[in-house]
Amino acid sequence: DAMVIQNPRYQVTQFGKPVTLSCSQTLNHNVMYWYQQKSSQAPKLLFHYYDKDFNNEADTPDNFQSRRPNTSFCFLDIRSPGLGDAAMYLCATSLRNAGGVLRGTQYFGPGTRLTVL
Amino acid sequence: KQEVTQIPAALSVPEGENLVLNCSFTDSAIYNLQWFRQDPGKGLTSLLLIQSSQREQTSGRLNASLDKSSGRSTLYIAASQPGDSATYLCAVKETSGSRLTFGEGTQLTVNP
Repeated sequence: DAMVIQNPRYQVTQFGKPVTLSCSQTLNHNVMYWYQQKSSQAPKLLFHYYDKDFNNEADTPDNFQSRRPNTSFCFLDIRSPGLGDAAMYLCATSLRNAGGVLRGTQYFGPGTRLTVL
Repeated sequence: KQEVTQIPAALSVPEGENLVLNCSFTDSAIYNLQWFRQDPGKGLTSLLLIQSSQREQTSGRLNASLDKSSGRSTLYIAASQPGDSATYLCAVKETSGSRLTFGEGTQLTVNP
């Protein structure tokens, strides 16, 4: 089945040790998103790619970076994780048409739960 | 800036009851509104999507309504079951761009 895959599902890292989370999709969607979700809170958009066009949210810390080497893959790099970065990280995809209109819903992966020791 | 609020934050009902979850948003210039389900420790699953020109959408026991002018949406769940226990989030999409703005969700527990 076409889907959004996130690896790993659980990631433990040490304070200050760089970590990379990965997302892949088989939907051939041109938009990919990274969200951070803390317990009992709404998902918070960190950034998204429309094709190779990177869109950073104004309040996303510099500690968070992203790469999208091709349509199928997107990575979230946390350069120096702090205790406050422990959260669930959700990847999602969607399809925008040539006119820039978002078609349909966003499809979410199962998430990666990050623990910072 | 768009803000989305969901009331109540938590709801516990006995099995078989019909229930309504509420979502309100501050900027009525939306493209669509979606309801998602999230099970503990899992990602989000889209339940219903209502375009701004629509008033409601139905899927099985779920019915979502949208009143764009008043900035409100409701999710109606008929004949609730223990398997419906989850957090339900609503999200609105702006008229331009790709961003969704989420509410904080309603945590639903359906007791057998």
